[in-house]
Amino acid sequence: DAKTTQPNSMESNEEEPVHLPCNHSTISGTDYIHWYRQLPSQGPEYVIHGLTSNVNNRMASLAIAEDRKSSTLILHRATLRDAAVYYCILRSSGAGSYQLTFGKGTKLSVIP
Amino acid sequence: DVKVTQSSRYLVKRTGEKVFLECVQDMDHENMFWYRQDPGLGLRLIYFSYDVKMKEKGDIPEGYSVSREKKERFSLILESASTNQTSMYLCASSGALGIPPLHFGNGTRLTVT
Repeated sequence: DAKTTQPNSMESNEEEPVHLPCNHSTISGTDYIHWYRQLPSQGPEYVIHGLTSNVNNRMASLAIAEDRKSSTLILHRATLRDAAVYYCILRSSGAGSYQLTFGKGTKLSVIP
Repeated sequence: DVKVTQSSRYLVKRTGEKVFLECVQDMDHENMFWYRQDPGLGLRLIYFSYDVKMKEKGDIPEGYSVSREKKERFSLILESASTNQTSMYLCASSGALGIPPLHFGNGTRLTVT
């Protein structure tokens, strides 16, 4: 999988929006952008994924740059339960797509 | 919701013991995976299975084997546990290779003494 770059940590105040950035300058045309998060003492949890267009679901929104070299996960109103490590991952639709490469991710702290 | 259940949350074993980690999923998923997670190294794929009795090596298969006799169950076996296998082990499943998300269990923290 192509490499992604994320900030090590971010802070947000409760009930404010959070924008988590991810750079993936070597993304290929068949790579989907996936986001997972891992709460303390739990396994990773799928958040959202997209290819080219912006995506919304009940958990978050994903904004993808026009050149696809970066993306942003948006949590519209951070809650204390959103404190977690967020991973941005590229998954090819071709062979080897099972090989998710989780980097260090971004540790999000939410301040009450 | 998909449920992936790992049989033990914490496990302590001695060096040289044979260790079985069990994982069961309830969504009839074809694909199942075993990862280990270590500080500073992220998640690393050990083995995966795309069908009953089928398995493929991941990035770090040495010292491990797997078994998938039934679709819902995927076992990770440490033939002779060593201290460097002390880690968090995560099982996951997904509906098909490609885009569907992985659903993870809550992990088994294995300590080998």
